[in-house]
Amino acid sequence: EVQLLESGGGLVQPGGSLRLSCVVTGFRFSSNALAWVRQPPGKGLEWVSVISSTGGNTYYADSVKGRFTISRDNSRNTVFLQMNSLRVEDTATYYCAKDRAREFFDYWGQGALVAVSS
Amino acid sequence: QSALTQEASLSGTVGQKVTLSCTGNGNNIGRFSVGWYQQISRGAPKPVMFGDSLPSGIPDRFSGSKSGTTAFLTISGLQPEDEADYYCSTWDASLSGWVFGGGTRLTVL
Repeated sequence: EVQLLESGGGLVQPGGSLRLSCVVTGFRFSSNALAWVRQPPGKGLEWVSVISSTGGNTYYADSVKGRFTISRDNSRNTVFLQMNSLRVEDTATYYCAKDRAREFFDYWGQGALVAVSS
Repeated sequence: QSALTQEASLSGTVGQKVTLSCTGNGNNIGRFSVGWYQQISRGAPKPVMFGDSLPSGIPDRFSGSKSGTTAFLTISGLQPEDEADYYCSTWDASLSGWVFGGGTRLTVL
């Protein structure tokens, strides 16, 4: 059974930092790209970032470029999202998702809530 | 404003056929297949269609198609459990990133 389990969410002040983790089981982690997708309260889905299977290629939405960094550890089946200089508008549920060859997000985690507030 | 345009809301009665649309441009929908995701009560999104292919476990009353830069998700024989928010998404070559539609809230009357 495929599972993606996010952790690391919480409440942080504006300007602060947080690191999300997503542990994956049930498929060959090192052969697949992984992405982060977020959803602000009451709003729609927004893609954040994606990392290739080897970690050699990363892409970011303009709204987070220069502040967020995606990385992965293939020995631990884990993908990370380091979030710096957080803003109130970064408040959202952050989902980890398996990117099937830039075609489709075929598996999703349950989400981690990040709240940025003073 | 989302890169892909979807109806904000649609409704239908049980048993009816309903079609959701997703409009983009030549750099996204015009070049790549579109994925559709169902979200019930703000839970985790669930894939229900990729292009015209059904993911495992999705009933065959769901179908997908595309014409030019617009993709469609059709639900034939609407059921109460189909009431949800539906999002479309695809890769955008000019942005080098994924884009989503703003979502359609489907109500089953």
